[in-house]
Amino acid sequence: KQEVTQIPAALSVPEGENLVLNCSFTDSAIYNLQWFRQDPGKGLTSLLLIQSSQREQTSGRLNASLDKSSGRSTLYIAASQPGDSATYLCAVSNRDDKIIFGKGTRLHILP
Amino acid sequence: DAGVTQSPTHLIKTRGQQVTLRCSPKSGHDTVSWYQQALGQGPQFIFQYYEEEERQRGNFPDRFSGHQFPNYSSELNVNALLLGDSALYLCASSPGINQPQHFGDGTRLSIL
Repeated sequence: KQEVTQIPAALSVPEGENLVLNCSFTDSAIYNLQWFRQDPGKGLTSLLLIQSSQREQTSGRLNASLDKSSGRSTLYIAASQPGDSATYLCAVSNRDDKIIFGKGTRLHILP
Repeated sequence: DAGVTQSPTHLIKTRGQQVTLRCSPKSGHDTVSWYQQALGQGPQFIFQYYEEEERQRGNFPDRFSGHQFPNYSSELNVNALLLGDSALYLCASSPGINQPQHFGDGTRLSIL
């Protein structure tokens, strides 16, 4: 059974710092991995999607890496801004198209 | 181009009642998946509809049922509501199986 774990559960950093969010999964037979952003009471916004054959994806200040063999992914946020404050969810999709989510990391950027 | 739209935004029910939530997929998408997100948790997969059939299902009781219409829109029905059904219900659509899923803003269901 696929399980997704995100560490830390919450993180507070001063504005301008670079930071890394971690995600691990138990079954390496994934189809893809996604990082989502969720603002309080809102739906999910997809940030980056990495196919199982890829090692990383970049979008602006965000970079996500995938090490399928070790069951790990990281989301790197450069030069953090107060607007980056949100919950970040890691999710893996197996070939059966079910998305399994972690519980998320609540990120607070201090002005 | 409208994205995934869900209605209603918020809903309050009492225990034992029944509820229907609605989802209109993004234009060009034919596959709809439903998720339940309890407070402080990640979303959990309920079921997925494709070609008007339930393609697969997560670990949810039969009180949770759904439907997909010919225009690809979908409904989630929950019978005999329990306090534990209070959650944000998210709908996601995609242009087929194993394609990136786009999420709506969800319906916040509160059970009193």
